[in-house]
Amino acid sequence: QKEVEQDPGPLSVPEGAIVSLNCTYSNSAFQYFMWYRQYSRKGPELLMYTYSSGNKEDGRFTAQVDKSSKYISLFIRDSQPSDSATYLCAPYYGGSQGNLIFGKGTKLSVKP
Amino acid sequence: ETGVTQSPTHLIKTRGQQVTLRCSSQSGHNTVSWYQQALGQGPQFIFQYYREEENGRGNFPPRFSGLQFPNYSSELNVNALELDDSALYLCASSTGQRRGTEAFFGQGTRLTVV
Repeated sequence: QKEVEQDPGPLSVPEGAIVSLNCTYSNSAFQYFMWYRQYSRKGPELLMYTYSSGNKEDGRFTAQVDKSSKYISLFIRDSQPSDSATYLCAPYYGGSQGNLIFGKGTKLSVKP
Repeated sequence: ETGVTQSPTHLIKTRGQQVTLRCSSQSGHNTVSWYQQALGQGPQFIFQYYREEENGRGNFPPRFSGLQFPNYSSELNVNALELDDSALYLCASSTGQRRGTEAFFGQGTRLTVV
C-alpha cells in the first residue's frame, strides 16, 4: 500500500462549483497535512496546512483531516478558472525530518 | 514568487552523461530539499541538506548526490544518466525549525535524457 493515495483525475467543474479533493494515507505517524497547488510548468506552492485532526479555513479553501480514517480533504468554494491547477496533498511527520510525502496530485479544471 | 531560484530551467542530456542542477535558497533559509517529479506523478524526495550536511535521503541510488554551500545554495549532481531520470527536478528551501510546514519551492529544472 502506498503511503499516500490521491485520485489523479482529471476533474472538470463549472465556475462557481464546490470542489472536493481527497487523499488517503497509511502512516498514523503523520502530524501535519499540507496542500500544495501546482500550475503547469511551475513549482508547487503551499496553499495551507492542518496540524492533526480538524478543519482549517482560509478564504474559499477549507482543509479537513480525519485521522481516525486517515482521510484528508480540501474543499474549494465558488471555484474560479484561476483555480485550474494540480492539487497535491503532502502529509508530513514533523520534527527534524523535513521531507514531504506527496500524493500523485489531482488535476482540476474550472470551466468559465 | 518564492525567492527560490533554480538553474537551468531546461536541459537536454544524453544517456550516460552527468548533470549538475543548481538551487539558490530563499534569504534566511538554511535547509534545502531536492525532489524529482516524473510526468503525471507527485514529487519524490531525493535528499535534504541542513547547514551543509545531508540530513535525510529518499530511495534514490548513490549516483544522485548533492552539496550545500556556506551561503546555503545547493547543487544536485546526477551521474550516468538514464532515460528514467527525465523529470522535473525541484528544490525547496526552508528554515531548520519549519522544514516541512514552510518549504518554498523553486519552479524547477526540466531534465530530458535522450
